[in-house]
Amino acid sequence: DQQVKQNSPSLSVQEGRISILNCDYTNSMFDYFLWYKKYPAEGPTFLISISSIKDKNEDGRFTVFLNKSAKHLSLHIVPSQPGDSAVYFCAALSNFGNEKLTFGTGTRLTIIP
Amino acid sequence: EPEVTQTPSHQVTQMGQEVILRCVPISNHLYFYWYRQILGQKVEFLVSFYNNEISEKSEIFDDQFSVERPDGSNFTLKIRSTKLEDSAMYFCASSEASVGTLLNTGELFFGEGSRLTVL
Repeated sequence: DQQVKQNSPSLSVQEGRISILNCDYTNSMFDYFLWYKKYPAEGPTFLISISSIKDKNEDGRFTVFLNKSAKHLSLHIVPSQPGDSAVYFCAALSNFGNEKLTFGTGTRLTIIP
Repeated sequence: EPEVTQTPSHQVTQMGQEVILRCVPISNHLYFYWYRQILGQKVEFLVSFYNNEISEKSEIFDDQFSVERPDGSNFTLKIRSTKLEDSAMYFCASSEASVGTLLNTGELFFGEGSRLTVL
């Protein structure tokens, strides 16, 4: 049961352009969403999060947008840099007090110099 | 910068053998987790641990799995009798506050993972 879906397994973007990574979810009980970045041979590292009471959260080059009615969120990276090449995981929490993060399958982002 | 460390980085074992994966969480963290990722699949929650007891576990975390914090610094995952389908990358993580609280932005600190190969 894939409650969090990342339908694009891979994405290639030119350096300096915008990278848009998408994530869909099915569980309407999710109310907190996170993006993690993972380099090969390393564990995931936290990037940015958004609460369901917001529709946008920005941190430097990274912005996450949430569309609750569509159960869709996206991560925008602008401008994209070669160091952004990694696998990006979308994750969700069902409600506060729940310890379980539900991850998507990841999108491998490659930034082309 | 403080980090979560895991050993071994790779373990190969025969089916039916016991395996212990070790983790040293960040020293002032109170919440500990194990996740796993089967090759090509998503990262899956196994278990969370707080105050010397399991606070939540997934359906994957059956009787073959156990966790322990034996000495106040290590956090271990034991698989009693490994199966082929246990082959995966196992990630330990820790956080200062509960992942599920407003106090925490969801920032789990993950280790680099222990790759388990069951033959």
